[in-house]
Amino acid sequence: DTAVSQTPKYLVTQMGNDKSIKCEQNLGHDTMYWYKQDSKKFLKIMFSYNNKELIINETVPNRFSPKSPDKAHLNLHINSLELGDSAVYFCASAHSGTGEAAKGYTFGSGTRLTVV
Amino acid sequence: GNSVTQMEGPVTLSEEAFLTINCTYTATGYPSLFWYVQYPGEGLQLLLKATKADDKGSNKGFEATYRKETTSFHLEKGSVQVSDSAVYFCALSDLLRSARQLTFGSGTQLTVLP
Repeated sequence: DTAVSQTPKYLVTQMGNDKSIKCEQNLGHDTMYWYKQDSKKFLKIMFSYNNKELIINETVPNRFSPKSPDKAHLNLHINSLELGDSAVYFCASAHSGTGEAAKGYTFGSGTRLTVV
Repeated sequence: GNSVTQMEGPVTLSEEAFLTINCTYTATGYPSLFWYVQYPGEGLQLLLKATKADDKGSNKGFEATYRKETTSFHLEKGSVQVSDSAVYFCALSDLLRSARQLTFGSGTQLTVLP
């Protein structure tokens, strides 16, 4: 019973291709996130959706486009992949609201993207 | 803006040694503080948390105390095991518009040798 599931787990693709990563959560959370983890393990937020509305959109190339068809899903589409996009991408979910701040996020197991 | 500064690694210890990983933060409001752990090839898991000053979070022998006066949340364990080898992330959670944003430190790689 995976709480936050991402697919695929591994993705190897050539430069210039377009690819998507999918994320689904079954926790009933109203907020979902995409984080990028680089080779030095540094985690940087990319996007956040709350009730299907884009809330956080950090400085990310517009080749990256998130899509949230419903509260339980947040997909990440990447156009014209570049070598520098190689990283591990993590999806996470949480409840919003001040009363929920202590509960932290639940993370997926990550998608390792390698662009060759 | 919010930020988290974490002790740089890597940290290598022998089994049963005492562990401290330092973490300090900068925040405009009253954040909640967390430690997450990432085992090799896996996602991040919540290790422990604290929501207000002087709270102590603890789990699996690890503990950390929310110190508002020093803006710190240092992670400690009295006797580490080989199975504790992982990357540890300090993080803070604050409200941004209608969503909470978790800001992470840079992570500290811990290796415990038998």
